[in-house]
Amino acid sequence: RKEVEQDPGPFNVPEGATVAFNCTYSNSASQSFFWYRQDCRKEPKLLMSVYSSGNEDGRFTAQLNRASQYISLLIRDSKLSDSATYLCVVNGGSGNTGKLIFGQGTTLQVKP
Amino acid sequence: DAGVTQSPTHLIKTRGQQVTLRCSPKSGHDTVSWYQQALGQGPQFIFQYYEEEERQRGNFPDRFSGHQFPNYSSELNVNALLLGDSALYLCASSPDRGVSYGYTFGSGTRLTVV
Repeated sequence: RKEVEQDPGPFNVPEGATVAFNCTYSNSASQSFFWYRQDCRKEPKLLMSVYSSGNEDGRFTAQLNRASQYISLLIRDSKLSDSATYLCVVNGGSGNTGKLIFGQGTTLQVKP
Repeated sequence: DAGVTQSPTHLIKTRGQQVTLRCSPKSGHDTVSWYQQALGQGPQFIFQYYEEEERQRGNFPDRFSGHQFPNYSSELNVNALLLGDSALYLCASSPDRGVSYGYTFGSGTRLTVV
């Protein structure tokens, strides 16, 4: 089983749609969680950290369910510029080690 | 303020050769991690350096080695290159070992082994 699993997609949605991505992780000791965004042939960029209580940054909402070892990202009112690959990232060691493990990524295509 | 800088941007090597990739972390960052990203896959953790020592290592063979210098810059060395080592190699830096702030990535070195 992969340490971090994501549905690779692609998710094809119209502009203005709401889309949700899910991610599961295997290490119950993980304590740091992030979503990164990666544009084609570019480096990953931090989109947001994910906190236990859930957090929101503009049109983006991240949720964490420790019991189910599940992370989600919700994008509201999708824009063409949201088209990218979204990477779920989890701390891979026991406790906080900074060994960040990336999922395969979920590809989003927003259409006009 | 320069972000994470990597050199070279592209490299072509022959099977069996050795390669050295370089990274300068973002100002104020003391931790450097290296990742390998194959096409269509997420980045795979190679190792992490801080205080000039390797602290964490992923599932990569000993052919992959690294170094961190007193100014926090880092090198990734790969010996006896295989065709399967062709990938984008990403350097990432953090001010807190990636714990709370995650990592800032450089734009990568694209290595092609022929």
